[in-house]
Amino acid sequence: DTAVSQTPKYLVTQMGNDKSIKCEQNLGHDTMYWYKQDSKKFLKIMFSYNNKELIINETVPNRFSPKSPDKAHLNLHINSLELGDSAVYFCASSPRGGNQPQHFGDGTRLSIL
Amino acid sequence: SQKIEQNSEALNIQEGKTATLTCNYTNYSPAYLQWYRQDPGRGPVFLLLIRENEKEKRKERLKVTFDTTLKQSLFHITASQPADSATYLCALDLGGNNRLAFGKGNQVVVIP
Repeated sequence: DTAVSQTPKYLVTQMGNDKSIKCEQNLGHDTMYWYKQDSKKFLKIMFSYNNKELIINETVPNRFSPKSPDKAHLNLHINSLELGDSAVYFCASSPRGGNQPQHFGDGTRLSIL
Repeated sequence: SQKIEQNSEALNIQEGKTATLTCNYTNYSPAYLQWYRQDPGRGPVFLLLIRENEKEKRKERLKVTFDTTLKQSLFHITASQPADSATYLCALDLGGNNRLAFGKGNQVVVIP
C-alpha cells in the first residue's frame, strides 16, 4: 500500500502553461510538505501544511500555489511555467510537531520545453 | 552564510567493509539531525534521527554520531552490502514546524 502517492510521475509541458501536481497520504499524518529537487540535487522545502493550515511558506514565486482540501491531500498548482521550474517535486508527510521523520512520495519529474 | 556539506565524490567500498559518510554544517544550530537514503528515481527514505544531546544512535548496521562542537555528523554502514548502494542525505532541523534543510547527499557504491 503506497503511503505517499503523487500524480503524475512525469509531466512534460510548454513554457507558459499552468499545471497541477496532486499528493495523497494514507498514513494519518497531520503535516504535509512540498519540496523541490533541482538538477544539482538540492532538496529544498517550499511549503508545509498542518491539518489544512499553511505553516511554512519559503521564498517561492507566487506562481506556485499549494492547496490542501483535507489533511490527507496537498496539491501544487503552478501558473505560467518557466524553464527554471524544471525539477523533481516531492511531496512528504509527517506526524505533527518537531523531531519527526518525513515520509516522501516518489516525486513528479517536471520538464519544461 | 548557512551551509550543509556532504562529500560530492562517490564513496566506492568493498562489500563487508564499513562505509563512513560526513555531514558538516556552518551557521546552523540544529536541535536534531536526520539521515535519509535516496535511490535513483525514488523519494528519500528516513533512516535515523539523532538529537543534539545524543552522541550516538544505532539501528541494525547503521550508526550515526552528532558532535555539536565540531558541527558534524558521521554516518556509518557496517558490514556493507551491494543493496546499501544509494545516495545518503543528511538533514538539519531549522527550528519549528519540522522544517528541514537537506545536504546534497553522498553516493555510496558497494562493490561485491
